[in-house]
Amino acid sequence: DAKTTQPPSMDCAEGRAANLPCNHSTISGNEYVYWYRQIHSQGPQYIIHGLKNNETNEMASLIITEDRKSSTLILPHATLRDTAVYYCIVRFLLPGGTSYGKLTFGQGTILTVHP
Amino acid sequence: KAGVTQTPRYLIKTRGQQVTLSCSPISGHRSVSWYQQTPGQGLQFLFEYFSETQRNKGNFPGRFSGRQFSNSRSEMNVSTLELGDSALYLCASSLGGYSYEQYFGPGTRLTVT
Repeated sequence: DAKTTQPPSMDCAEGRAANLPCNHSTISGNEYVYWYRQIHSQGPQYIIHGLKNNETNEMASLIITEDRKSSTLILPHATLRDTAVYYCIVRFLLPGGTSYGKLTFGQGTILTVHP
Repeated sequence: KAGVTQTPRYLIKTRGQQVTLSCSPISGHRSVSWYQQTPGQGLQFLFEYFSETQRNKGNFPGRFSGRQFSNSRSEMNVSTLELGDSALYLCASSLGGYSYEQYFGPGTRLTVT
């Protein structure tokens, strides 16, 4: 899996947008970008994923650069409950599109949302 | 729809013993993956099962094993426990296709004394 680089920590004021960057400069054409978060002592929670185009769901938006070497996860209106470790993960697609369940977690970004 | 369930949630074992952890995936999900999380190593992939077959395995010793049943429920077993096996063991399920997201359970906290 392609290596990802994330800042170790970030702060955000409650109600403001949180923009979490991720660098994946060695990503290949058949690798997806996934974002998960883990609130203390809970199992990781899926947030969003994308291949080339920007994606949005009820939780967040994912902006992937045109060259796909970096991406940004945007939490539009951060709340205290968004305080968590955020993981950016790149997943490799095996030839033939077979399922490949392995997620390679890095150290992630500790996002702290302040009142 | 019920989420991923793991049992037991907490477990205390002694060195040398063995332990079996259970995971029930979301209904309809055929893929189950297991992860170990420790403060020092972070989240590490153990193995993945799909339709009762192990399809991928991480870099863990043979003391760590698993299996999946026909109803997609999965168990993992750790034999000859060591102090370093103390960790949060997480199970994740997915539909099985590459692009499908994985849903994690709450984990089993294993303490080896």
